[in-house]
Amino acid sequence: AQKITQTQPGMFVQEKEAVTLDCTYDTSDPSYGLFWYKQPSSGEMIFLIYQGSYDQQNATEGRYSLNFQKARKSANLVISASQLGDSAMYFCAMRGAQGGSEKLVFGKGTKLTVNP
Amino acid sequence: KAGVTQTPRYLIKTRGQQVTLSCSPISGHRSVSWYQQTPGQGLQFLFEYFSETQRNKGNFPGRFSGRQFSNSRSEMNVSTLELGDSALYLCASSEGWVTDTQYFGPGTRLTVL
Repeated sequence: AQKITQTQPGMFVQEKEAVTLDCTYDTSDPSYGLFWYKQPSSGEMIFLIYQGSYDQQNATEGRYSLNFQKARKSANLVISASQLGDSAMYFCAMRGAQGGSEKLVFGKGTKLTVNP
Repeated sequence: KAGVTQTPRYLIKTRGQQVTLSCSPISGHRSVSWYQQTPGQGLQFLFEYFSETQRNKGNFPGRFSGRQFSNSRSEMNVSTLELGDSALYLCASSEGWVTDTQYFGPGTRLTVL
């Protein structure tokens, strides 16, 4: 079975500083994908970044980067130059091979608060 | 392209009633997945449809059902509502290949009284 663990229920960061949100995963699938989503208070889940298990380089999307350490089974999200609009819940998710399904398994999330 | 749309956005029902939620995927997307989000259980997978066929199903009772139409729009139905069904129901769509990214709609917030 797949499992995602996010150990930080809440994080605080000053505006313009960088912040790292932790995510560890467990799976027996040799091929899998890791995702980060942002959920503002409005409820919509916004896709941020994706890392495939066979990708050699860490994924980056603008101010977002994913620190992928396969041997440690970790996929931490790094947000550079935090903005007030980054305040939201952040979810790490995994998709495995699972016989052709796109099912995502989510962690419990981390609530990020950006202070001015 | 327009994003994933879900209707209605908010819904209030009483125990024992049934409810139908609708999801329109991004144009060209053939796969639709549904998730339930509650404060206690977090985000849980309900089901996944691809080309009108259910491709996977989560661990939910038979009161939860869904379907997908030929235009890829999807509906989910919950019969005999219970208080514990109060949740945010999120729909996500993708092009259909299992390596694709899922894009989510704004959700339907269901309250059962």
